[in-house]
Amino acid sequence: QKEVEQNSGPLSVPEGAIASLNCTYSDRGSQSFFWYRQYSGKSPELIMSIYSNGDKEDGRFTAQLNKASQYVSLLIRDSQPSDSATYLCAALSGTYKYIFGTGTRLKVLA
Amino acid sequence: KAGVTQTPRYLIKTRGQQVTLSCSPISGHRSVSWYQQTPGQGLQFLFEYFSETQRNKGNFPGRFSGRQFSNSRSEMNVSTLELGDSALYLCASSLDGGGRFFGPGTRLTVL
Repeated sequence: QKEVEQNSGPLSVPEGAIASLNCTYSDRGSQSFFWYRQYSGKSPELIMSIYSNGDKEDGRFTAQLNKASQYVSLLIRDSQPSDSATYLCAALSGTYKYIFGTGTRLKVLA
Repeated sequence: KAGVTQTPRYLIKTRGQQVTLSCSPISGHRSVSWYQQTPGQGLQFLFEYFSETQRNKGNFPGRFSGRQFSNSRSEMNVSTLELGDSALYLCASSLDGGGRFFGPGTRLTVL
């Protein structure tokens, strides 16, 4: 079992819809969670971090964390073609292990 | 604040050679991590340095090594290059426990 799992996609959503990206993790000691966006040929860019159960909103992005079920999700409202990218989930454990998932490719269709 | 910088941005080497890549973190960041990324492989963790000490290491052969200096700048070295080492090498810096900020990467081609 991979430590941080994501569906590789592609996840295709129409422009203006909500894109829902999911991530599960296996280490219950993980304390902090992060979402990155990576455009083709570019380096990953940190877009959200979440540390406690519940929702955290930042503009069109909402991160959700459920530690009991060991999942993290990222919602993108009013999806735009410019949101088309690979989204990486990462978890930081208590032993400073920072584990990335393999990413989900999102395609927003105009 | 200036972002993470990496030099060189592009590098072409031949098999058997060695290479050194450099990374300057965001000012104040003491953690520097290195990753290898190849098409379809995702981010493969190489190692992490914090205050000049290697804190974590990925599953790469001993040909891959790194170090961190007192000013937090870091270098990674790959000796005896193989064709399979062709990849984008990414450096990321962070405040301890926070999100990681990536540099633009060094694209290494081994011929």
